[in-house]
Amino acid sequence: ETGVTQTPRHLVMGMTNKKSLKCEQHLGHNAMYWYKQSAKKPLELMFVYSLEERVENNSVPSRFSPECPNSSHLFLHLHTLQPEDSALYLCASSQEPYSQPQHFGDGTRLSIL
Amino acid sequence: RKEVEQDPGPFNVPEGATVAFNCTYSNSASQSFFWYRQDCRKEPKLLMSVYSSGNEDGRFTAQLNRASQYISLLIRDSKLSDSATYLCVVNMGGSQGNLIFGKGTKLSVKP
Repeated sequence: ETGVTQTPRHLVMGMTNKKSLKCEQHLGHNAMYWYKQSAKKPLELMFVYSLEERVENNSVPSRFSPECPNSSHLFLHLHTLQPEDSALYLCASSQEPYSQPQHFGDGTRLSIL
Repeated sequence: RKEVEQDPGPFNVPEGATVAFNCTYSNSASQSFFWYRQDCRKEPKLLMSVYSSGNEDGRFTAQLNRASQYISLLIRDSKLSDSATYLCVVNMGGSQGNLIFGKGTKLSVKP
């Protein structure tokens, strides 16, 4: 396996559910990111991790909770989401924080009922 | 003023045409600039970085105009496979970096 892999590819959940998105990178990178991509809106950077330490949190609601147990894995824990949270959630990695290129996973398409 | 602005398009052009996209940014202290390409229902991928002196990669030319705070992407001899959304990305700097994406410009190349 190479690159950045995300699971699940699709997720439908109710507003009271708790679920987690998973991301794994096999590139030996030191930085990982969560992005949100909504229709007709630009890609929004949510969280940045450098070697398991969070370096940026762009005013994301607390119903989104990231976890980075090691430099290869990144999770996004979801609870009591709102319909406006329906979007494509993309994970990315790069050699160092904010370095280029960023390698993106295929994303998780999230729908909140 | 939005931080990074792009014409959303779509730009519909015939094969072989030359097409150019612009992207404006609001923060004059922005440090680095990139163009990403995103195919329909796919993840974004880095197309090219944009250097101060301008740079070329095959049919693609990127330019930066710091005075007017815009970057551009020129595609020559466009191919059907160039059809995608092109995202402008600006690192606005600061102590921790600050990556801002534009909404993207959609290009459709027709036979």
